[in-house]
Amino acid sequence: QKEVEQNSGPLSVPEGAIASLNCTYSDRGSQSFFWYRQYSGKSPELIMFIYSNGDKEDGRFTAQLNKASQYVSLLIRDSQPSDSATYLCAALNSGYSTLTFGKGTMLLVSP
Amino acid sequence: DVKVTQSSRYLVKRTGEKVFLECVQDMDHENMFWYRQDPGLGLRLIYFSYDVKMKEKGDIPEGYSVSREKKERFSLILESASTNQTSMYLCATSTRTTDEQYFGPGTRLTVT
Repeated sequence: QKEVEQNSGPLSVPEGAIASLNCTYSDRGSQSFFWYRQYSGKSPELIMFIYSNGDKEDGRFTAQLNKASQYVSLLIRDSQPSDSATYLCAALNSGYSTLTFGKGTMLLVSP
Repeated sequence: DVKVTQSSRYLVKRTGEKVFLECVQDMDHENMFWYRQDPGLGLRLIYFSYDVKMKEKGDIPEGYSVSREKKERFSLILESASTNQTSMYLCATSTRTTDEQYFGPGTRLTVT
């Protein structure tokens, strides 16, 4: 059974701080990884994806991938209260176009 | 922008009823997916489709069926609704080339 593990949180950070969200995955054949943000009562919204080892930056967001350690992370710089949401990590299942999702980490950014 | 719409935001049905949930996308995406999301269990894949008239079972297909007669439309059918099918149902789409999935707004189904 392919798994994606995330700490459920909540992760609490003050406004302006860096929030660091992490996940690990079990499918060594996974090549692509996705981060979604989900506000309470809403559907998941894609914020970043990463395919290659290393860092990928998009505005205040940086995704990091380490395939050897089977580890993916999302850094949110200058966190804002509007970033308060649940963040879902997903891994593309090898050989398929389906994703396995983690259960999400709740992030709370306090003013 | 990808637009994925679902037929209802909220739905209340009785046990034993046949329930249809519809998903429509306007971006010509090949792949379509149905998930349910429950507290503590996360997103779980019910069925998916790579093309018209094609369907594949996901992780929890029991009690559900699907239909894809047109590329833009993917329907989830609960043949005989049960209370344990009370959940948030989410449709998503993706292309064959990028695998990024885009979600519809979701349907919160309550079966009483």
